[in-house]
Amino acid sequence: DAGVIQSPRHEVTEMGQEVTLRCKPISGHNSLFWYRQTMMRGLELLIYFNNNVPIDDSGMPEDRFSAKMPNASFSTLKIQPSEPRDSAVYFCASSRTSVSNEQFFGPGTRLTVL
Amino acid sequence: DAKTTQPPSMDCAEGRAANLPCNHSTISGNEYVYWYRQIHSQGPQYIIHGLKNNETNEMASLIITEDRKSSTLILPHATLRDTAVYYCIVSTGGTSYGKLTFGQGTILTVHP
Repeated sequence: DAGVIQSPRHEVTEMGQEVTLRCKPISGHNSLFWYRQTMMRGLELLIYFNNNVPIDDSGMPEDRFSAKMPNASFSTLKIQPSEPRDSAVYFCASSRTSVSNEQFFGPGTRLTVL
Repeated sequence: DAKTTQPPSMDCAEGRAANLPCNHSTISGNEYVYWYRQIHSQGPQYIIHGLKNNETNEMASLIITEDRKSSTLILPHATLRDTAVYYCIVSTGGTSYGKLTFGQGTILTVHP
């Protein structure tokens, strides 16, 4: 099992540019989560999908952020336009919520917005 | 979800048991206690969870007090690789989704 796969692992961009983060959940998992981690705010849940449908997006900071899950094996988190305060590590996690709430996290994408 | 309180940091000697406490005095009857850890520069890793009975797996043991207002995560023989931030989380998800709200956690440092 390859685990949760995220790409890119590192992203450096300039303010105003569009950024797209990608996630491939573990096969067979029906829930997917996007988190953001910063020193100031810690680890925050941005959005939760169940069976490819967004269920809880209350953590999405503002309209500049959008997330999609077109199928069970792929999700994207897009920031447009990006700002320096978006600099953080973004984690994707997946789980089989019909079994437990154990979430498996990916290695994260470190985003730096200059 | 109920809030948890953990000490900001703890030390442990390699090979000894590490006992990490967590207070969750406002926990509700349908809320589970979850423990995750995050090793530097990695994503969080699930350790264990429980409702009211003590639980044990290959990584750790979870001791929950009878009134469920506090719990202790026990790493029986700590190694240097156990140095990490340990998060105690209370969530309604047991066999279904429950939001995980990560606090500041406890930084555990295992010394040689």
